Amino acid sequence: EVHLVESGGGLVQPGRSLRLSCEGSGFTFDDFAMHWVRQAPGKGLEWVSGIGWNSINIDYADSVKGRFTTSRDNAKNSLYLQMNSLRPEDTALYYCTKQTLGDEPQGYQGLDVWGQGTTVTVSS
Amino acid sequence: QSVLTQPPSVSGAPGQRVTISCTGSNSNIGEGYDVHWYQQFPGKAPKFLIYGNSNRPSGVPDRFSGSKSGTSASLAITGLQAEDEADYYCQSYDSSLSGVVFGGGTKLTVL
Repeated sequence: EVHLVESGGGLVQPGRSLRLSCEGSGFTFDDFAMHWVRQAPGKGLEWVSGIGWNSINIDYADSVKGRFTTSRDNAKNSLYLQMNSLRPEDTALYYCTKQTLGDEPQGYQGLDVWGQGTTVTVSS
Repeated sequence: QSVLTQPPSVSGAPGQRVTISCTGSNSNIGEGYDVHWYQQFPGKAPKFLIYGNSNRPSGVPDRFSGSKSGTSASLAITGLQAEDEADYYCQSYDSSLSGVVFGGGTKLTVL
């Protein structure tokens, strides 16, 4: 069975950093692009970033560009999100997701597998 | 303000048919990009419901169907059941933003 498990969330002060991790299982990790999607409390889904199999092509939402960095380690079947200069508006549940098809980030593809999410709270 | 516009809420009685619209523009749905749909229960991760405008992943009941026309897409649910009560989101790609875009979500209430 295909699984994604996120970790690394927590409470952090504004301006500080946090690194999220996501481990995949049940599929060939480097055959697929991976994405981060977040959901603020009581709000809708917001795409954050997508990364290709070899980490060459990486896309970011304007809201996080320059502050967040996405990376992956295919040997560990893992996806990461380094979040710097955190703001209160970054408070959300962060989901790791698998692109349905393709090993490069293609925003027109669907996201067929989702982790359970990890919560990030930015507050002083 | 989401790039894709969905009604905040829809409702229907058991057994009825409901539709949820997803309205975009010429830089996303209207440019030909596929629309996908997700179902989310409270406290749970979204579930992949419809892909490529009208295709159902394995295990999704055929009561759920999707369509797309012009700059809009729709999710239809027939034979409404109490267990369908959830939030529904559409998703596509926007060439102006160069990124994935979601609708604001629609809360379905089964009366």
